[in-house]
Amino acid sequence: DAGVIQSPRHEVTEMGQEVTLRCKPISGHDYLFWYRQTMMRGLELLIYFNNNVPIDDSGMPEDRFSAKMPNASFSTLKIQPSEPRDSAVYFCASSSSGGSRYGYTFGSGTRLTVV
Amino acid sequence: GESVGLHLPTLSVQEGDNSIINCAYSNSASDYFIWYKQESGKGPQFIIDIRSNMDKRQGQRVTVLLNKTVKHLSLQIAATQPGDSAVYFCAENNNAGNMLTFGGGTRLMVKP
Repeated sequence: DAGVIQSPRHEVTEMGQEVTLRCKPISGHDYLFWYRQTMMRGLELLIYFNNNVPIDDSGMPEDRFSAKMPNASFSTLKIQPSEPRDSAVYFCASSSSGGSRYGYTFGSGTRLTVV
Repeated sequence: GESVGLHLPTLSVQEGDNSIINCAYSNSASDYFIWYKQESGKGPQFIIDIRSNMDKRQGQRVTVLLNKTVKHLSLQIAATQPGDSAVYFCAENNNAGNMLTFGGGTRLMVKP
């Protein structure tokens, strides 16, 4: 398995533009998580899905952020409009319903810079 | 992705020495504890885990110790190598679901 695949690896965009981050989880994993990593806050859970259904989005900072999982092999995190304070590394992770006993598998992340 | 520029506690060790990275957790009801390693440019990677009914677990060059009395977790790395340089996170499963809560991380720097 190629692991969790995220794209793009790097994104530079201007304030006000729409940004879409993409994630392909490991085949067979039924949990998918979106995290944001910043200097100030470390790793923050934004939202997670189970069987493609959003379970907890309480970590999503504001309405500018939205996430979808149209099928078991694809998820997107969208920011519209983007702001400089959204600059961070965004990670997607997946895990199986065996629970956190086996840990999450993280992607390599997308470094977002909003100028 | 990188664990870039986080203002983290830093542990600096000489190559070949043993390293001990510590973590305090908050929930006495947590079932599992996991250590992750995050190298520059990568996402966190699973290293080793331990169940709450254990106090020690060993892997290859790594040992995790769990002290439930004081809610403390540690990761010991034997014969630390330059490739061990990374940020290390502890995580706890603190409810019945598939959720992990991550600690703030410790940066390990290995001097040649």
